[in-house]
Amino acid sequence: NAGVTQTPKFQVLKTGQSMTLQCAQDMNHEYMSWYRQDPGMGLRLIHYSVGAGITDQGEVPNGYNVSRSTTEDFPLRLLSAAPSQTSVYFCASSYRGDTDTQYFGPGTRLTVL
Amino acid sequence: SQQGEEDPQALSIQEGENATMNCSYKTSINNLQWYRQNSGRGLVHLILIRSNEREKHSGRLRVTLDTSKKSSSLLITASRAADTASYFCAVHTGANSKLTFGKGITLSVRP
Repeated sequence: NAGVTQTPKFQVLKTGQSMTLQCAQDMNHEYMSWYRQDPGMGLRLIHYSVGAGITDQGEVPNGYNVSRSTTEDFPLRLLSAAPSQTSVYFCASSYRGDTDTQYFGPGTRLTVL
Repeated sequence: SQQGEEDPQALSIQEGENATMNCSYKTSINNLQWYRQNSGRGLVHLILIRSNEREKHSGRLRVTLDTSKKSSSLLITASRAADTASYFCAVHTGANSKLTFGKGITLSVRP
């Protein structure tokens, strides 16, 4: 199993540009989530999904959209990038939910100029 | 709101010594999880301890949970240079809440 994969690893955007961060898992996990990690901060939940077709907002959802058309994929869309979205983004998955062990991807380091 | 708060923020020890890291939280929890993050990498799950458990072991790791004090400790025995990483606690407080991560502890193990 590849586990949780994320692409790209690095990305530089200009303010106002849009892009999609990809996340995929091959463990047949129902629960997937997106976090952002900023220096000196813990991880903050952006959006999560409890199964295909079901998504919900986390702690810091503004400026981000998600969809879950398949069990395997959970892309994160930045609609109009802002410098405040410069961060490291992690995708995670688990079998049942966030009461379970979370499996994290390697992260995407995003810089917005 | 920040639920899990780790202490100390940074810890530097000699190889072979034990490392103790603490996590405190504010309300009743469902479970508490510890994760490790190596520089530039994703988080890796270490141990999950449920609210009705008091101690769990995994190799050189020992986690304790004191619900009366709302705190948990992660002990790494006989530390190695490879244990150098950031360690995070995450708490889950109930059915309608989400897993909340602390800011992390930076552990440096000197060879």
